[in-house]
Amino acid sequence: DAEITQSPRHKITETGRQVTLACHQTWNHNNMFWYRQDLGHGLRLIHYSYGVQDTNKGEVSDGYSVSRSNTEDLPLTLESAASSQTSVYFCASSNRGFRDEQFFGPGTRLTVL
Amino acid sequence: AQSVSQHNHHVILSEAASLELGCNYSYGGTVNLFWYVQYPGQHLQLLLKYFSGDPLVKGIKGFEAEFIKSKFSFNLRKPSVQWSDTAEYFCAVNANNDMRFGAGTRLTVKP
Repeated sequence: DAEITQSPRHKITETGRQVTLACHQTWNHNNMFWYRQDLGHGLRLIHYSYGVQDTNKGEVSDGYSVSRSNTEDLPLTLESAASSQTSVYFCASSNRGFRDEQFFGPGTRLTVL
Repeated sequence: AQSVSQHNHHVILSEAASLELGCNYSYGGTVNLFWYVQYPGQHLQLLLKYFSGDPLVKGIKGFEAEFIKSKFSFNLRKPSVQWSDTAEYFCAVNANNDMRFGAGTRLTVKP
């Protein structure tokens, strides 16, 4: 069965360190998304990609970057982790961008000390 | 920028009670509307979606939602909840590729 996997599932890091969260999907979807989930805010869009070599900023992109070198993967990098980036991060993919159902991964809980 | 409001943060119901969760959004143009659910320990999954046509949309597990354009609302309903409906529910709105989620409503169903 097709799926989205995220790794690691839990990560503790220190302020200032670079962190990369992995997202891998086997749906063969062109569209991939990264969200963060915080209490009281729901999910907020960080970055998204419509295909290989395409990346776009979302609502809360400051301090994050993504790159898309193949269809299956969209890694999320925190260049210099800050305590404000402590959150649960979700990756998702869809067949037709924002106009379609998004399939979500299990999430990564990141703690920045 | 548009916004999405879910006014109920935590709802507690007994089994067989009826459910209505509110969702309002601020964008005045064409929108795509979604309700997602996150069961404990599981991925977010789609309950239902509205793109166009009949404003009353039926989803999985007996859920339905009604799009009322004049009220900028997309409320989720279920006539009789079960203990297994305990979960967090998120309303989401896409307007011109600006995707916004509400803060979520935690539903607890008591057996």
